[in-house]
Amino acid sequence: GAVVSQHPSRVICKSGTSVKIECRSLDFQATTMFWYRQFPKQSLMLMATSNEGSKATYEQGVEKDKFLINHASLTLSTLTVTSAHPEDSSFYICSVPWGSGDAGELFFGEGSRLTVL
Amino acid sequence: GQNIDQPTEMTATEGAIVQINCTYQTSGFNGLFWYQQHAGEAPTFLSYNVLDGLEEKGRFSSFLSRSKGYSYLLLKELQMKDSASYLCAVRDSNYQLIWGAGTKLIIKP
Repeated sequence: GAVVSQHPSRVICKSGTSVKIECRSLDFQATTMFWYRQFPKQSLMLMATSNEGSKATYEQGVEKDKFLINHASLTLSTLTVTSAHPEDSSFYICSVPWGSGDAGELFFGEGSRLTVL
Repeated sequence: GQNIDQPTEMTATEGAIVQINCTYQTSGFNGLFWYQQHAGEAPTFLSYNVLDGLEEKGRFSSFLSRSKGYSYLLLKELQMKDSASYLCAVRDSNYQLIWGAGTKLIIKP
């Protein structure tokens, strides 16, 4: 099956710095990747849909200038948290849809835990 | 609005059976998913239901009733490694996934 690799798995940064998270689809080419954020004991929240070769589609309430998404190739999408603040501390997870037809499931990356001091 | 409801936490005994319920109210329906998520890790796919009835996969089974907006995940012969959160997600008419907050399952020896 598809394998999705996400890096880094854990990052600690100072307030005001920027952090880049990479998501790679290892087994197949992905024209679409999803970025989620998950706060402790809460549901997965879709932040944006990353589209290869075009602009990402952001969910309502997600600042596109703060969370920069680049999907420059069919196997790599990056999420950059710009000027990070403590409230941005969260678990960020990317996912890739897999399979054809309606039963397409999501394969998730390992997740990246961001802590902003 | 759209929402998915599932219990916050459940406790069960090793070797026993547990049923985790999920009720949903969404704009349309294009399938229901169950995912398992261990603490600090990303979710992994367990099952998919789009038609009414029971889907069995080893120790895990998932049931769907579209008329009732209801699903359950049944775990048999519980093992300690089954301690995790179980996420219910529904794909709506726009093919967007709506996620429940997850049910934390605690397995006791």
